[in-house]
Amino acid sequence: KAGVTQTPRYLIKTRGQQVTLSCSPISGHRSVSWYQQTPGQGLQFLFEYFSETQRNKGNFPGRFSGRQFSNSRSEMNVSTLELGDSALYLCASSKGAGTGVDTQYFGPGTRLTVL
Amino acid sequence: AQSVTQLGSHVSVSEGALVLLRCNYSSSVPPYLFWYVQYPNQGLQLLLKYTTGATLVKGINGFEAEFKKSETSFHLTKPSAHMSDAAEYFCAVSDGRPGRRALTFGSGTRLQVQP
Repeated sequence: KAGVTQTPRYLIKTRGQQVTLSCSPISGHRSVSWYQQTPGQGLQFLFEYFSETQRNKGNFPGRFSGRQFSNSRSEMNVSTLELGDSALYLCASSKGAGTGVDTQYFGPGTRLTVL
Repeated sequence: AQSVTQLGSHVSVSEGALVLLRCNYSSSVPPYLFWYVQYPNQGLQLLLKYTTGATLVKGINGFEAEFKKSETSFHLTKPSAHMSDAAEYFCAVSDGRPGRRALTFGSGTRLQVQP
């Protein structure tokens, strides 16, 4: 079974620009979560989408947004980029249904550099 | 609210020696606990997880962890380190309620294996 894929793997942008990152989950998984990884703040949860609806949200400004499509693929958008947005953005997929444990499987990440 | 503390941001062991990476958690609900490993320029790979039942959990690559509720700990061990174990290790906690299953990560422990 193919794993989680993320595109692009590397991005360089300048301050003030916007960026869109893409994530394709494992086949059959309906939940996609996004995390930001930086040396200073570590791994932080951005948001989760399930069945095209945002189900959970972390503590990030409104410049960070996302969406999910009917095929469970997800995109994340960051507008008006700041230097501090430079990070590894990780996407994780899980089955998402029911209660109890919902193991998340991570993609390779997109490395965003803001100049 | 949940939190994870990983004691020791860097751990160095000799090849063949015991690996012990420490993780303590705080959770207001019965926790689900995970260990992930991250190799350079890669995403997170699941090593093992604790859900319910047996408190000693075996994972991939010879790693295991023991859930100790009284100590709120979930330490990761491996009897004999290999050079290929050099990586960063993250402990994470989540709960089982839909919409609240975001992972909360510790700050990570970088494992160095000396020849």
